[in-house]
Amino acid sequence: AQRVTQPEKLLSVFKGAPVELKCNYSYSGSPELFWYVQYSRQRLQLLLRHISRESIKGFTADLNKGETSFHLKKPFAQEEDSAMYYCALNDAGGTSYGKLTFGQGTILTVHP
Amino acid sequence: KAGVTQTPRYLIKTRGQQVTLSCSPISGHRSVSWYQQTPGQGLQFLFEYFSETQRNKGNFPGRFSGRQFSNSRSEMNVSTLELGDSALYLCASSFGGRGTGELFFGEGSRLTVL
Repeated sequence: AQRVTQPEKLLSVFKGAPVELKCNYSYSGSPELFWYVQYSRQRLQLLLRHISRESIKGFTADLNKGETSFHLKKPFAQEEDSAMYYCALNDAGGTSYGKLTFGQGTILTVHP
Repeated sequence: KAGVTQTPRYLIKTRGQQVTLSCSPISGHRSVSWYQQTPGQGLQFLFEYFSETQRNKGNFPGRFSGRQFSNSRSEMNVSTLELGDSALYLCASSFGGRGTGELFFGEGSRLTVL
């Protein structure tokens, strides 16, 4: 069965410091991976997805199939990055894009 | 454009009762998915509907059911409520086709079972 693991429940950094949120997955096929973010009092929203290989709000994430990881990185954290971050996997093989397996989430706090 | 709308936002029920939650997707979206969020289990997939058909189902008992109407609006129903059903129920919509990937979430319906 597919599984997404985010080993850190809490992560604290200072403004301007690099940040890395870890995500590991287990899935035998070719997964599609996403990072979703929930800012305080806002809805859960997509941050980025691996197939687009884009940088959003300075965040990037590279899919490493050898290590089955999809870590989220930002070189210089900002206070507005403080939020809950979820790594998610779509394993439906193109038949169901509404089904995501989520990790437990990491609460990122960026201190001034 | 209007986002995903869920009603009611909050509700309190007692054990044994049933509940119906509603979700209106973003205009043009044909896929609606439902998730249960709890502190212990996190976000868990319940089911997905696409063009009025259930396309996928999570590992939940049969007390959890849903449906989708021709206008893409969706409802989920939980019968014979248990204390453990207390959770935030999130609805998400998308175009539903290959390559879209992005789910748009509602604010959720918070269910408390006493």
